[in-house]
Amino acid sequence: GAVVSQHPSRVICKSGTSVKIECRSLDFQATTMFWYRQFPKKSLMLMATSNEGSKATYEQGVEKDKFLINHASLTLSTLTVTSAHPEDSSFYICSARNTAGGASYNEQFFGPGTRLTVL
Amino acid sequence: KQEVTQIPAALSVPEGENLVLNCSFTDSAIYNLQWFRQDPGKGLTSLLLIQSSQREQTSGRLNASLDKSSGRSTLYIAASQPGDSATYLCAVMDKGGSEKLVFGKGTKLTVNP
Repeated sequence: GAVVSQHPSRVICKSGTSVKIECRSLDFQATTMFWYRQFPKKSLMLMATSNEGSKATYEQGVEKDKFLINHASLTLSTLTVTSAHPEDSSFYICSARNTAGGASYNEQFFGPGTRLTVL
Repeated sequence: KQEVTQIPAALSVPEGENLVLNCSFTDSAIYNLQWFRQDPGKGLTSLLLIQSSQREQTSGRLNASLDKSSGRSTLYIAASQPGDSATYLCAVMDKGGSEKLVFGKGTKLTVNP
């Protein structure tokens, strides 16, 4: 299947700083990417849909000024957690949707996740 | 609003057994259904994708079926191995608007040597 990478895999930061997480589709173009967070032993929670060349669509209850999303190219979306606080500590996972057609049309591929710890 | 349910929540089997994981969804207006596995502390690995017009997909020891009219899918794992131990997630891509994935809560599978 297609490969989606995330960087960094782990980050520890001080409260009040901003952290940027990158999500890249390595071998296909993705007009749509998704950002999730996951708490320990819980389901994935969709935070926002990232659309190439336009504004992200945020889920209800997710602060758009807190979680800045930029989808500047067909292979890269970034999530910036601004002024991070300990309650933002979580596992953040991105996914990219294959819209190029073929047998895996609309299949979503997930990155390996980023573990954020805010001290 | 689409809801996805997975049964059982957890399953423990001895190595070599064949097993079935169940997934049901409330709204049959879907584009596709995907099965994933997630290992602890890792991202999701796509196992099988079934488009709404298809009935089943197979990959190695895995077979997934889709009955859209009844809102059900099953994931069949043949000859289970300890390396199959993981959480298995079912998700449907909704036609309801934004084409997001709606996930079930998963089935945690443990295959004992």
